[in-house]
Amino acid sequence: EVQLAESGGGLVQPGGSLRLSCAASGFTFSGYFMSWVRQAPGKGLEWVANIKQDGSDKYYGDSVKGRFTISRDNAKNSLYLEMNSLRAEDTAVYYCASLYSGYFLYWGQGILVTVSS
Amino acid sequence: EIVMTQSPATLSVSPGERATLSCRASQSVSSNLAWYQQKPGQAPRLLIYGASTRATGIPARFSGSGSGTEFTLTISSLQSEDFAVYYCQQYNDWYTFGQGTKLEIK
Repeated sequence: EVQLAESGGGLVQPGGSLRLSCAASGFTFSGYFMSWVRQAPGKGLEWVANIKQDGSDKYYGDSVKGRFTISRDNAKNSLYLEMNSLRAEDTAVYYCASLYSGYFLYWGQGILVTVSS
Repeated sequence: EIVMTQSPATLSVSPGERATLSCRASQSVSSNLAWYQQKPGQAPRLLIYGASTRATGIPARFSGSGSGTEFTLTISSLQSEDFAVYYCQQYNDWYTFGQGTKLEIK
């Protein structure tokens, strides 16, 4: 059974930093592009970042470029999102997801990040 | 950025009836279109990719159609578990989602 489990969320002050993790199991993690997708409270979905299978290429949405860094450790079947200079508008549930041919195939249950003073 | 517009925002349908949800792209996305279902407190679930191919395990009552800029998700006979929010997503040029259609019980 495919499982993606996010962790590391919580409350952080504006301008602060947070690191999200996603533990994968049940599929060949190293064979997939991986992504982060977020959803602000009561809102729709927004793609955040992608990382290639071997970690050599990374891509970001305009709203997080220069502030967020995606990374992975295939030996640990884990995906990460380092978030810096956080803003109130970054408040959202963050999902890790596997990307296959452009669509998001498997999703984690999500983790809430709240940016507030 | 390609803007995806879904209509209607809310659709009220009785169980057993057919539901038709629409998604329009601001420019052609070919057939690079996916549909997701999201229930309260849950992650989205992939239903359809390539505009019309059902994902693994998705019941045959779900069907997708369209290409270019106009797409439709049809649920042929609504079951209680189908009442949820549905999102379309284009992957022709990066990735953008529609704002969602809430399918509610009439």
